[in-house]
Amino acid sequence: DSGVTQTPKHLITATGQRVTLRCSPRSGDLSVYWYQQSLDQGLQFLIHYYNGEERAKGNILERFSAQQFPDLHSELNLSSLELGDSALYFCASSPGLAGGHPSSYEQYFGPGTRLTVT
Amino acid sequence: DAKTTQPPSMDCAEGRAANLPCNHSTISGNEYVYWYRQIHSQGPQYIIHGLKNNETNEMASLIITEDRKSSTLILPHATLRDTAVYYCIVRTSNTGNQFYFGTGTSLTVIP
Repeated sequence: DSGVTQTPKHLITATGQRVTLRCSPRSGDLSVYWYQQSLDQGLQFLIHYYNGEERAKGNILERFSAQQFPDLHSELNLSSLELGDSALYFCASSPGLAGGHPSSYEQYFGPGTRLTVT
Repeated sequence: DAKTTQPPSMDCAEGRAANLPCNHSTISGNEYVYWYRQIHSQGPQYIIHGLKNNETNEMASLIITEDRKSSTLILPHATLRDTAVYYCIVRTSNTGNQFYFGTGTSLTVIP
């Protein structure tokens, strides 16, 4: 158990709908990262939040957005869903933020949310 | 981020050491080498990481060559539960703390 929790475990929805995925980081971790894993794309970084602020964006679609709340939990919002959005969505947490010098902070991943768009 | 190259698959006999190679010939001086594994569709699990020196923890050992262009993850006594996809990742702090996963090595531990 990594200490990172994600809800729901499974989500089935129709095209065009909107869903919200939730992530609670490990106690004390300030950074939250979201990743998408689909069959044909592998694990792709989406977005990073640190202490409530967006820090980096990866391959995140404009239909997707995220936020980190004062209690440090994070939500990933997916809208206008398409069949191709079906995937596993993982969040990970980390205690620190990589600054201008090398960082050795590992990330701990949650169990994921499996999204199926029909 | 530096690109990594790993063999797509490997087999290992149960109880033997599993040696997983990774090539990262374009690694820069401030980039760390990380290893994660993913069992079935579970969340990736952190194994070990290092910068220059060899590292060992309760799960594995990481051997980094002197020129840092390659590394080897060693699972000393592989068990069936070690069957997983193993990812070697080179990460720099310059672009943030995110990881860029490649295709990894699918390790099968054979009874």
